[in-house]
Amino acid sequence: EIVLTQSPATLSLSPGERATLSCRASQSVSVSLGWYQQKPGQAPRLLIYDVSNRATGIPARFSGSGSGTDFTLTISNLEPEDFAVYYCQHHYSWPLTFGGGTKVEI
Amino acid sequence: EVQLVESGGGLVQPGGSLRLSCAASGFTFSSHAMNWVRLAPGKGLEWVSHISDSAGNTVYADSVKARFTISRDNSKNTLYLQMNSLRAEDTAIYYCAKEWDGSGEYFDYWGQGTLVTVSS
Repeated sequence: EIVLTQSPATLSLSPGERATLSCRASQSVSVSLGWYQQKPGQAPRLLIYDVSNRATGIPARFSGSGSGTDFTLTISNLEPEDFAVYYCQHHYSWPLTFGGGTKVEI
Repeated sequence: EVQLVESGGGLVQPGGSLRLSCAASGFTFSSHAMNWVRLAPGKGLEWVSHISDSAGNTVYADSVKARFTISRDNSKNTLYLQMNSLRAEDTAIYYCAKEWDGSGEYFDYWGQGTLVTVSS
């Protein structure tokens, strides 16, 4: 099983700042990695697929980068609605796994 | 508009069983693989199970293998999860999730979830 480790667990920032979230895989997942956002009481939402491609309707302030084992989600110019929990997920092999999440809080 | 509506959650004793359902609409259900993903209290998302569009292939997380069974009825646009031998650690919100149209297992639509509580 590929383990995805996200850091930091919590990120305390203010609106307008930049958020940098990390996801490290226990072995290479090539570019088979995506990111989701989840707000309390809501279902997750797909943000990024294949490392750096924004899903439909996702604002340009969300960007992804990386390859192999180290990946980054960057949220530039945080908006109030961006404060949420973010998860990375791979589909390189079965079983699919998610990272433990990073909470972006004010 | 794509809609996924889960049902069947509730309180069950350890060792008991439950069957979750997910009613799908707004897309061609029979053309998409589907999954169950859960969110336990204080924990992160955990993928549970996958079923291919034709139900010819199913995959399970080790934590539920041999206890849970995923199935689908394409004539009813409905996804199921039969959960047996339930344990306290199965307590979670269970989401059904649709795989997207592209390559790879990403989930572009999710239901609002159904809560399963395993407790005596």
